Amino acid sequence: AQTVTQSQPEMSVQEAETVTLSCTYDTSENNYYLFWYKQPPSRQMILVIRQEAYKQQNATENRFSVNFQKAAKSFSLKISDSQLGDTAMYFCASGGSNYKLTFGKGTLLTVNP
Amino acid sequence: DTAVSQTPKYLVTQMGNDKSIKCEQNLGHDTMYWYKQDSKKFLKIMFSYNNKELIINETVPNRFSPKSPDKAHLNLHINSLELGDSAVYFCASSQGTGVEKLFFGSGTQLSVL
Repeated sequence: AQTVTQSQPEMSVQEAETVTLSCTYDTSENNYYLFWYKQPPSRQMILVIRQEAYKQQNATENRFSVNFQKAAKSFSLKISDSQLGDTAMYFCASGGSNYKLTFGKGTLLTVNP
Repeated sequence: DTAVSQTPKYLVTQMGNDKSIKCEQNLGHDTMYWYKQDSKKFLKIMFSYNNKELIINETVPNRFSPKSPDKAHLNLHINSLELGDSAVYFCASSQGTGVEKLFFGSGTQLSVL
């Protein structure tokens, strides 16, 4: 079974600053993947970043990067130079070979001007 | 062209009615999904289909019946709608088991009155 925990229901950050969203997970899979999805007010689910668990190097996508601590089962998302358009619900998710992603409950991020 | 399209975007109906949501993907993916997002934004898998075969049925009431006429389509029919069925329903697709990336539709907001 897989579980994903996001302990921060809401966060806020000033424009241009850096913010880190936390996520911990548990899985019985040996090969698994971790994801951060963004859901803006438009409701569309958008993949932000993806990490393959067998890779030690942390994934980065422009202003978005992760801190993947496999032993601690931690997968945090860092957003640098925050922009107003980053305001959204952020979901951490894990998936293996079992045809489903398990999502955390989400963190509502507000970027203030 | 929209990769994963679902219709309708909004559905308002009375308790006890039967309704359907349609989903189509033009990505050539083998696997399609239905996810339910409740009022607290929690996303939970309902069904997974791979090449038209049901892979996952996550203890969903049998009032919910998915149908996959071909691997590009996955429809969701709901009988005898209840107030608790009010939610946003997302269709998604992926190549394989989903660990590469889930492509989501824009969601159907179902309101049962």
